Amino acid sequence: GENVEQHPSTLSVQEGDSAVIKCTYSDSASNYFPWYKQELGKRPQLIIDIRSNVGEKKDQRIAVTLNKTAKHFSLHITETQPEDSAVYFCAASAWGGTSYGKLTFGQGTILTVHP
Amino acid sequence: DGGITQSPKYLFRKEGQNVTLSCEQNLNHDAMYWYRQDPGQGLRLIYYSQIVNDFQKGDIAEGYSVSREKKESFPLTVTSAQKNPTAFYLCASSIRWGGLASSYEQYFGPGTRLTVT
Repeated sequence: GENVEQHPSTLSVQEGDSAVIKCTYSDSASNYFPWYKQELGKRPQLIIDIRSNVGEKKDQRIAVTLNKTAKHFSLHITETQPEDSAVYFCAASAWGGTSYGKLTFGQGTILTVHP
Repeated sequence: DGGITQSPKYLFRKEGQNVTLSCEQNLNHDAMYWYRQDPGQGLRLIYYSQIVNDFQKGDIAEGYSVSREKKESFPLTVTSAQKNPTAFYLCASSIRWGGLASSYEQYFGPGTRLTVT
């Protein structure tokens, strides 16, 4: 089955700096890679996702890049703000196959943005 | 918020008792999922269902059971066979398959924190 590794487990930055979180996956059939943000005590919420036919996607201060050959994808947050502090999870899924919808999550990254 | 609900928010049980967690959605989604979240760990898939009257085991199904009799509902039973049931349980739903242009976002409920002593 799919295995997703996420690094780092904790990340501390100063407000205004950039933050990068990296994930690797093992199943070459995976074609959908979402990123979720979970604030303390709350539900995870999708912040950005990318499909395997796209190498990069950007939404304001957030971007995701995908390298299918190396089987890794990364989340980039620019101009970080204290409200970006949360746990971030990457995930991978093989949509269109027999197990579509089955997301495998990384272990999570605790991002702390210091004012 | 809204669209997918879980109840109760907190649940306490004695060891050896079965307990059922509720999950309801009004998003007209075919697919529903149950995850378990432990401190410092990612979300691990317990069971998922792509359509009514059908469900598949996830990565950690032992000690759990589900049913999917209605599109809107996907209850999870934590049985006494689950060796370490204390955790935060999250339910989610999504579309099943809508083509390459569709969004496959999984919408999560607020979660149920189960404590077994």
